[in-house]
Amino acid sequence: NAGVTQTPKFQVLKTGQSMTLQCAQDMNHNSMYWYRQDPGMGLRLIYYSASEGTTDKGEVPNGYNVSRLNKREFSLRLESAAPSQTSVYFCASSGWGFNQPQHFGDGTRLSIL
Amino acid sequence: SQQGEEDPQALSIQEGENATMNCSYKTSINNLQWYRQNSGRGLVHLILIRSNEREKHSGRLRVTLDTSKKSSSLLITASRAADTASYFCATDTGANSKLTFGKGITLSVRP
Repeated sequence: NAGVTQTPKFQVLKTGQSMTLQCAQDMNHNSMYWYRQDPGMGLRLIYYSASEGTTDKGEVPNGYNVSRLNKREFSLRLESAAPSQTSVYFCASSGWGFNQPQHFGDGTRLSIL
Repeated sequence: SQQGEEDPQALSIQEGENATMNCSYKTSINNLQWYRQNSGRGLVHLILIRSNEREKHSGRLRVTLDTSKKSSSLLITASRAADTASYFCATDTGANSKLTFGKGITLSVRP
């Protein structure tokens, strides 16, 4: 079982460049999430998608866009990368209904110079 | 904004001892979850306790929830070196199963 797969695992960008982080899940989950993790800050929700065709902002959406391409895939795009977006990005998914745990990928480590 | 706040921030124990970690939160919840994160990896779900439950067990894990005090504790019994990791509590307020995570507790288990 692959679970949640994130690509790439590592990326270095220059300020102003754009890139898309990819996430795919094979658990037939309805909901998908993007978080960023910074030292001493825990995980903060960037965007989420409760179901295919819907996306909503989380706690820290500025500077990011998302696309729920289909039920399996949820991508995160940085249009013009800034050093403040240097972080580890995690994608997660969860099943339909209440009291569902989230399943996480292993993250994308992004550095912006 | 951080809903859950874990305590202590760091914990170092000897193998075989019990580890107790605490989490406090601010608003009403649907459930509270604990996750583990090994270095360089994603979070792994450990246990979920619903708001109408007071205690739950899973293997060497015991979780309690006190909704009147808005607090939870995670007990790991007979700890092993492999339990060395960061542990996070996360609260679910029922809105699209979104979770709000605490900042985490770093547990070191010395062999």
